[in-house]
Amino acid sequence: EVQLVESGGGLVKPGESLRLSCAASGFPFSKYTLNWVRQAPGKGLEWVSSISSSSREINYADSVKGRFTISRDNAKNSMFLQMNSLRAEDTAVYYCARFPILGESYFEYWGQGILVTVSS
Amino acid sequence: QSALTQPASVSGSPGQSITISCTGTSSDVGTYNLVSWYQQHPGKAPKLMIFEVNKRSSGFSNRFSASKSGNTASLTISGLQAEDEADYYCCSYAGDRGFVFGGGSKVTVL
Repeated sequence: EVQLVESGGGLVKPGESLRLSCAASGFPFSKYTLNWVRQAPGKGLEWVSSISSSSREINYADSVKGRFTISRDNAKNSMFLQMNSLRAEDTAVYYCARFPILGESYFEYWGQGILVTVSS
Repeated sequence: QSALTQPASVSGSPGQSITISCTGTSSDVGTYNLVSWYQQHPGKAPKLMIFEVNKRSSGFSNRFSASKSGNTASLTISGLQAEDEADYYCCSYAGDRGFVFGGGSKVTVL
């Protein structure tokens, strides 16, 4: 069974940093591209970033480019999101989501999400 | 403001059919046959329903169907049931912009 479990969320002040983790199990982690997708309270979904299986291909939404860094450790079946210079508008539930093995064009599996709150 | 436009709410009686539209542009929905749809119940993670415009994910019956015409994609739920009450989101690949979502449509079963 595919499992994606996010951790590392919490309350931080504007300008501070936070590092999210996504622990994966139930599939060959090193073969799949992974993503972060977020959802502000009461709002819609927003794709944040993606990282290919080998970390060679990384993409970011314009809203986080230059502030967030995605990475992964295939030996530990984990993905990370380093979030710097956080703003109030970064407040959201952050989901880890996996692409399928072929046709990386939809979010096949999702974690349960972790809440990040940016407030003074 | 979301990149793709969906109606904020759609409602129907049990057994009826409803359709949710998802309007994008020639830079996303209109160019790529890479539209997907997600169902989200309150407090839960989204679930993949439809991928590549009209392919159903396992776990979703043929009551759920989808299509695309030009810059607009559509999701139809037939034989509406109480458990279909949820938020529904469309998503499209958008080239250099990555992936864009609609603002979501709340489905209410009357």
